[in-house]
Amino acid sequence: DSGVTQTPKHLITATGQRVTLRCSPRSGDLSVYWYQQSLDQGLQFLIQYYNGEERAKGNILERFSAQQFPDLHSELNLSSLELGDSALYFCASSEPTSGGSGELFFGEGSRLTVL
Amino acid sequence: EDQVTQSPEALRLQEGESSSLNCSYTVSGLRGLFWYRQDPGKGPEFLFTLYSAGEEKEKERLKATLTKKESFLHITAPKPEDSATYLCAVQVPDSWGKLQFGAGTQVVVTP
Repeated sequence: DSGVTQTPKHLITATGQRVTLRCSPRSGDLSVYWYQQSLDQGLQFLIQYYNGEERAKGNILERFSAQQFPDLHSELNLSSLELGDSALYFCASSEPTSGGSGELFFGEGSRLTVL
Repeated sequence: EDQVTQSPEALRLQEGESSSLNCSYTVSGLRGLFWYRQDPGKGPEFLFTLYSAGEEKEKERLKATLTKKESFLHITAPKPEDSATYLCAVQVPDSWGKLQFGAGTQVVVTP
């Protein structure tokens, strides 16, 4: 158990819909990262927050947005869903080091299926 | 553009048959290279961090090494529980915690 909690574990929805994925980082970790894993793209970095502020952005679509709340939990919002958005979405957290740590603790992921 | 390439894509080993996985990278300044293990349906689990050429790290049957252009993950006398996908990732300066992952090597160890 990594200590990172993600909900829901599974989600099935229809094209055009909007969903919210939730992540609680390990106790004491200030950084939260979101990654997308699909069969054809592998593990892709989406976005990182550090203590409530956006720190780094990857190939995140404009239809996707995220935020980190004062209690440090994070939410990833996916809207106008398309079939290609079906994937595993992982949240990870890391210890509060300056510059960011590459030692990430991943949650078990949220599997999104868009029909 | 920074790239991380892992080979082979898949590896099937007999229990006790040692082998090596390769991770080659082309990045503009390497801040760190990381190895993760991922079991089916689970999130990646951190294994090692390597920072400079010549560095080695060991954990049980796994040993990671780093050169200026590639890293190797050696699996010595593997057991069935070593079956997993092994992911390599790189971190470049000023990228905060952002990691660029390779596609992974799927390892299956049979009894």
